[in-house]
Amino acid sequence: GQNIDQPTEMTATEGAIVQINCTYQTSGFNGLFWYQQHAGEAPTFLSYNVLDGLEEKGRFSSFLSRSKGYSYLLLKELQMKDSASYLCAVLSSGSARQLTFGSGTQLTVLP
Amino acid sequence: ETGVTQTPRHLVMGMTNKKSLKCEQHLGHNAMYWYKQSAKKPLELMFVYNFKEQTENNSVPSRFSPECPNSSHLFLHLHTLQPEDSALYLCASSQDTSGGPVRTQYFGPGTRLLVL
Repeated sequence: GQNIDQPTEMTATEGAIVQINCTYQTSGFNGLFWYQQHAGEAPTFLSYNVLDGLEEKGRFSSFLSRSKGYSYLLLKELQMKDSASYLCAVLSSGSARQLTFGSGTQLTVLP
Repeated sequence: ETGVTQTPRHLVMGMTNKKSLKCEQHLGHNAMYWYKQSAKKPLELMFVYNFKEQTENNSVPSRFSPECPNSSHLFLHLHTLQPEDSALYLCASSQDTSGGPVRTQYFGPGTRLLVL
């Protein structure tokens, strides 16, 4: 089975750095996605990691450790518009590739 | 029109009604997905279509009936729903679900459904 854990809520200040953690236990692994979802809107793709290490993309970076079943999303120079839910999702391996999502972390950026 | 669109954006229905949700993707993808998103719960995969063929049905009750007439359109037909079916229903698409490079899924804005 699949089990994905991430904090329910986080709060940070504009201009700061925040790290959102995700741990997973899955029967197969073919990569990990991070999505951003603003209230009432579609989840939008942020990052994909399949190998260990850090992937940097502008203000956002994502890290993966497959041996630890652990990932984090790092957001730098926080802006008010970064207030959203951040979804961690693991892609299963095999022919039936499916995304299993965590419950999401609601990030609130304060002025 | 770009991306993945869904209609209606909001729907209120009684338990005896029949309604349909529509999804259309303009990305040239071959795989389409239905997800259910309930408050404080993870997105739950409901159905997967790859090249118009249903490849996954994650134990979804028969009161939800998907239809995929072509690779660009996906429907979810609803009948005799229950109040606990109230949720945000999201459609997504990707290149395809076959082996090879991993395909990123792109989501529509969802239909917020309320069953009374």
